[in-house]
Amino acid sequence: DIQMTQSPSSLSASVGDRVTITCRASQSIINYLNWYQQKPGKAPKLLIYAASSLQSGVPSRFSGSGSGTDFTLTISSLQPEDFAAYYCQHSYNTPWTFGQGTNVEIK
Amino acid sequence: EVQLVESGGGLVQPGRSLRLSCTASGFIFGDYAMSWVRQAPGKGLEWVGFIRNKAYGGTTEYAASVKGRFTISRDDSKSIAYLQMNSLKTEDTAVYYCARDLGYCTNGVCRVSGDFDYWGQGILVSVSS
Repeated sequence: DIQMTQSPSSLSASVGDRVTITCRASQSIINYLNWYQQKPGKAPKLLIYAASSLQSGVPSRFSGSGSGTDFTLTISSLQPEDFAAYYCQHSYNTPWTFGQGTNVEIK
Repeated sequence: EVQLVESGGGLVQPGRSLRLSCTASGFIFGDYAMSWVRQAPGKGLEWVGFIRNKAYGGTTEYAASVKGRFTISRDDSKSIAYLQMNSLKTEDTAVYYCARDLGYCTNGVCRVSGDFDYWGQGILVSVSS
């Protein structure tokens, strides 16, 4: 199984900050990498698919990059509604696995 | 508007069975693969399994942790996906989400992609004696 490792596990940031979350796969997954946002008590929401494609309706302050084993989710200017947990997930082969998550908290 | 609504959750004893339903609306259900994903209390996300659409055989794949105990099926005439859970264990306690597969779609026929573009609200399954 492919292991997905996110860093950091949590971070504190202020509104307007640029935030970067990284995700590393245990083997190459080419660009089969998705990012989700989850708020407490809610279902996850797809932000980025295929490493860098912005899902319809998602604000352009979210962007994804990377290929192979190393990937990045960037929020260019953190907004109050962005405080949440973020998960990466690979779709290279089954079993599809998720990273352990990154909690973005208010500083 | 795409909507997915899970039902059928609740408290069940270890070793017993439970069937979850995921009722879909707002899209042509039969065109898409469907997945189930779970989240244990305070933990991360775990993919459980998926079912392909009929155009790709309607076949299923499962995570090792549930293979042989859980079965996913679908009724395209009712736009419902099911998760039959047998021999439940305490470690199956989680919120269970159904999710639509984004798919690689050509002429309205979608091959499974493993990207989840719409999710239900989730339903809690508690396995305890």
